[in-house]
Amino acid sequence: NAGVTQTPKFQVLKTGQSMTLQCAQDMNHEYMSWYRQDPGMGLRLIHYSVGAGITDQGEVPNGYNVSRSTTEDFPLRLLSAAPSQTSVYFCASSYSTGTGYEQYFGPGTRLTVT
Amino acid sequence: KNEVEQSPQNLTAQEGEFITINCSYSVGISALHWLQQHPGGGIVSLFMLSSGKKKHGRLIATINIQEKHSSLHITASHPRDSAVYICAARKRDYGGSQGNLIFGKGTKLSVKP
Repeated sequence: NAGVTQTPKFQVLKTGQSMTLQCAQDMNHEYMSWYRQDPGMGLRLIHYSVGAGITDQGEVPNGYNVSRSTTEDFPLRLLSAAPSQTSVYFCASSYSTGTGYEQYFGPGTRLTVT
Repeated sequence: KNEVEQSPQNLTAQEGEFITINCSYSVGISALHWLQQHPGGGIVSLFMLSSGKKKHGRLIATINIQEKHSSLHITASHPRDSAVYICAARKRDYGGSQGNLIFGKGTKLSVKP
């Protein structure tokens, strides 16, 4: 299994540009989520999905859209990039073990908005 | 105050030392996760705990539900253990939704040879 894959690894955008961060998993996990990681702060949840066709907002959803048309893919769209969205973005998938949810993370996308 | 607090923020140890990283949380949880992030960014899940203690190699994680506290111990530390260790609490009251993981800010561990 490739696990959780993310593309691109690095990206530089100008303010106002849009782009999509790709995330895919091949483990047939129902749950997927996007986090951002900023210096001095813990990972923060942007959006999550509990299955194909179902998405919901996390702690910091403003400026981001998601969709989940298949179990495998969970892209994150930045509609109009702002410098405040400079961050490292992690996609994760998880599955229920019965007593909790085991979490798998992608390698991250480092985004700089100028 | 953050719902998940870790201490210390930074930790430097000599190879071979016994290391403890602490995590306190203020919310009701269904599970607590310990994650490892190496320089370069990849995040790996080390443990998921809902009670008691788990051991994997030189790593031991414990949780005390009554005291809302968890610890990660590393025995016989090695320079390859140098990483950021992150505690994350999964809130209890979301009906099974996984959109409720709250992260600590991480503990940066550096093990010197």
